[in-house]
Amino acid sequence: DVKVTQSSRYLVKRTGEKVFLECVQDMDHENMFWYRQDPGLGLRLIYFSYDVKMKEKGDIPEGYSVSREKKERFSLILESASTNQTSMYLCASSSGQGTGELFFGEGSRLTVL
Amino acid sequence: AQSVTQLGSHVSVSEGALVLLRCNYSSSVPPYLFWYVQYPNQGLQLLLKYTTGATLVKGINGFEAEFKKSETSFHLTKPSAHMSDAAEYFCAVSGPNTDKLIFGTGTRLQVFP
Repeated sequence: DVKVTQSSRYLVKRTGEKVFLECVQDMDHENMFWYRQDPGLGLRLIYFSYDVKMKEKGDIPEGYSVSREKKERFSLILESASTNQTSMYLCASSSGQGTGELFFGEGSRLTVL
Repeated sequence: AQSVTQLGSHVSVSEGALVLLRCNYSSSVPPYLFWYVQYPNQGLQLLLKYTTGATLVKGINGFEAEFKKSETSFHLTKPSAHMSDAAEYFCAVSGPNTDKLIFGTGTRLQVFP
């Protein structure tokens, strides 16, 4: 069964802390994505990666960075967490064949105090 | 530029009643259209998609959607709601040959016995 695994389901951090959210996929997919999900705003794309070490900004990249050193792993980094980054973060992957079918992880709910 | 608008952030139906979730899109290129479903405490999964060809597409769990270019719509329907259909539903759009989707704000479906 295909799988996208996010390392932490729930995290609580303090303002100013550096936060790492990890995502691993086992489908040998080319593309990986980080979305942020907020009530009433739907899903907003933070960053995506179409190849190892390649990345592209999404719609709301400010305050975030990403790393993709290996094909199966895509990390989202909050350099200095702020309270307005409290949210649900969803990782997804896709084959890269342009089918539009994304496979999502279960999400990481981050609370910044 | 592309966008989607989901009319109604909450929809409530009785078990056995028709489900209709509305989605209108805007796209400067031929659109690929998607419906994703998110069950409680889970990530999103693909329900159905339209790329080209037949405008009525069928998905999992008895859902279907019809692409209407003249109305720029892609509404999701199911003839008879089941309690297990309670979830949040997201409409999304992309252009051809890309996995970079633009999501709507979501519609939460409640099903009452």
